[in-house]
Amino acid sequence: QVQLQESGPGLVKPSQTLSLTCTVSGDSISSDFYYWAWIRQPPGKGLEWIGYIFYSGNTYYNPSLKSRVTISVDMSKNHFSLNLTSVTAADTAVYYCARGPTAWVDYWGQGALVTVSS
Amino acid sequence: QSALTQEASVSGTVGQKVTLSCTGNSNNIGSYAVGWYQQISHGSPKTVMFGNSLPSGIPDRFSGSKSGTTASLTISGLQPEDEADYYCSTWDYSLNAQVFGGGTKLTVL
Repeated sequence: QVQLQESGPGLVKPSQTLSLTCTVSGDSISSDFYYWAWIRQPPGKGLEWIGYIFYSGNTYYNPSLKSRVTISVDMSKNHFSLNLTSVTAADTAVYYCARGPTAWVDYWGQGALVTVSS
Repeated sequence: QSALTQEASVSGTVGQKVTLSCTGNSNNIGSYAVGWYQQISHGSPKTVMFGNSLPSGIPDRFSGSKSGTTASLTISGLQPEDEADYYCSTWDYSLNAQVFGGGTKLTVL
């Protein structure tokens, strides 16, 4: 059974960098079939794709966030990470990590609420 | 504004068949399979369909289909526990990004 678990600070100050890590169990992050994604959901709103990474390091990002986002992978720890710079209150959301084969998600993490506030 | 369009709300009675739709264009749904996700009471989403395949553990009253640039999720024999928000997603090659629909709130009367 594949499981994903987000971890990181729940409170980030405006203009700072949001950093989250997703630890994967039940699958190897070096799989050449799946991507590893970050998706977020602002309070009361729908899902927004942030981006994803393949084990090779190839990344794809949401064009609206591309200038502020970096997703990286650490195969030795079987986890991947999200960095989002220059955050504002609009970045307050539940952040999910996920796995999928290209066009959809098959496994989701439980989600981590990140609040941007001074 | 979402790249994929879903009904804001749909309702049905227990035992009824309901169909949720997800409309895109030739750059996304017209070219790729679609995933469907169920989110109950703002919990973590659960995948209930990808392409025409049912994930393990999902009841077979859920089914998926696609015609042109519109994908559909059908629930036959609606149950109270099906009440949730449902989202669709796929890849968009013009945006080079995965795109989601705005979500449909399904109410079981």
